[in-house]
Amino acid sequence: AQSVTQLGSHVSVSEGALVLLRCNYSSSVPPYLFWYVQYPNQGLQLLLKYTSAATLVKGINGFEAEFKKSETSFHLTKPSAHMSDAAEYFCAVSKAAGNKLTFGGGTRVLVKP
Amino acid sequence: GAVVSQHPSRVICKSGTSVKIECRSLDFQATTMFWYRQFPKQSLMLMATSNEGSKATYEQGVEKDKFLINHASLTLSTLTVTSAHPEDSSFYICSARDFKRGDYNEQFFGPGTRLTVL
Repeated sequence: AQSVTQLGSHVSVSEGALVLLRCNYSSSVPPYLFWYVQYPNQGLQLLLKYTSAATLVKGINGFEAEFKKSETSFHLTKPSAHMSDAAEYFCAVSKAAGNKLTFGGGTRVLVKP
Repeated sequence: GAVVSQHPSRVICKSGTSVKIECRSLDFQATTMFWYRQFPKQSLMLMATSNEGSKATYEQGVEKDKFLINHASLTLSTLTVTSAHPEDSSFYICSARDFKRGDYNEQFFGPGTRLTVL
């Protein structure tokens, strides 16, 4: 079985500050890992994904994440927060064969001016 | 490319009625579509996996007679909430996988449908 834990349901950052969202996973097989962003009353948009290639993955909107197998983590970062980054962020894991995504609980990001 | 639409975006219905939600892949063929529900301030929970031309696979705890899923074509899947009750009020999101793309497991998500049952 797979599971995803996102530490911190809410994160507040100042505009221009570092954004760090934590995600830890458990999986019985090498995982495929994803970060999605959700704006209010909208579906999910893929930020980036890890599919067993480079461990440092760059995504859209200046986000990146690093896969650390030893720590079973896939934390999401952005060097400088922008007001438009205020949204809900979900980490998700899947196995290659099943295609089913298991989501973490989500982290809501608030950006202060 | 890889756009998924949902219709309607919002629906309000009376308790006891049935509601149909459509999920369409607009510019690709989707052999597999997924249906999720999301309660306020919570994460997405997978309800079922829908494969074109075959019966949907429901997750544990999801009533298949309550949530009818039909995936009759490579671009359309429907979710019908039968005899809806207020506890069925939720945000329903579909996603689709493009079997021709090499992306690993990438699902493309629709914008969601907010169902309110009075």
